Amino acid sequence: EVFLVESGGGLVKTGESLRLTCEVSGFTITTYAVTWVRQAPGKGLEWVSSISAGGDYIYYSPAVQGRFTIFGDSSKNSVYLQMGNVRVEDTAVYYCARDARQSHPYFDSWGLGTLVTVSS
Amino acid sequence: DIQMTQSPSTLSASVGDRLTITCRASQSISNWLAWYQQKPGKAPKVIIYDASTLESGVPSRFSGSGSGTEFNLTISSLQPDDFATYYCQQSGAYLRLWTFGQGTRVEI
Repeated sequence: EVFLVESGGGLVKTGESLRLTCEVSGFTITTYAVTWVRQAPGKGLEWVSSISAGGDYIYYSPAVQGRFTIFGDSSKNSVYLQMGNVRVEDTAVYYCARDARQSHPYFDSWGLGTLVTVSS
Repeated sequence: DIQMTQSPSTLSASVGDRLTITCRASQSISNWLAWYQQKPGKAPKVIIYDASTLESGVPSRFSGSGSGTEFNLTISSLQPDDFATYYCQQSGAYLRLWTFGQGTRVEI
């Protein structure tokens, strides 16, 4: 069975850094891509970043390009989102999800999310 | 970036109703569209992918249609468990900038 578990959320101040962890089981990050999606309080879903199976290809939304870094550790079967120079508008629940396929993906398994709150 | 626009934003319905939610893309995405259901405090769950393919385990009262820029999610007979927010998501963008619609809340 597939599981994704996010951790690392919390309260940070603007300009600070935070690292989120997505620990997966039931599949390996060398065979499936993983994506981060966030949801601001009371708002809709926003795609943040994706890393391909094996980590060769990485993509970011314009909203986080240059501030966030996604990377994986196959030995821990985990994907990380390093958040830098955070802004108040980065406040959200951050979900990691499995890409069901490499091309034209949809997200077939999700974690429960971890809340990041950025204060000024 | 490809913009996804859902309508309506909120839909009031009753058990047994047939309802349709529309998602429009700002440019053609072929059939690279998925629909998700999200309940309060829960993670989203995929219900339709490739515009019309039902995800395994999803009840057959859900169906999807469309291609290019206009897509529909239809629930043939609304059940109590279906009251939720629904999102479309495109994966047709050339630069792999995936986007979601703003959501449609289905309420009693």
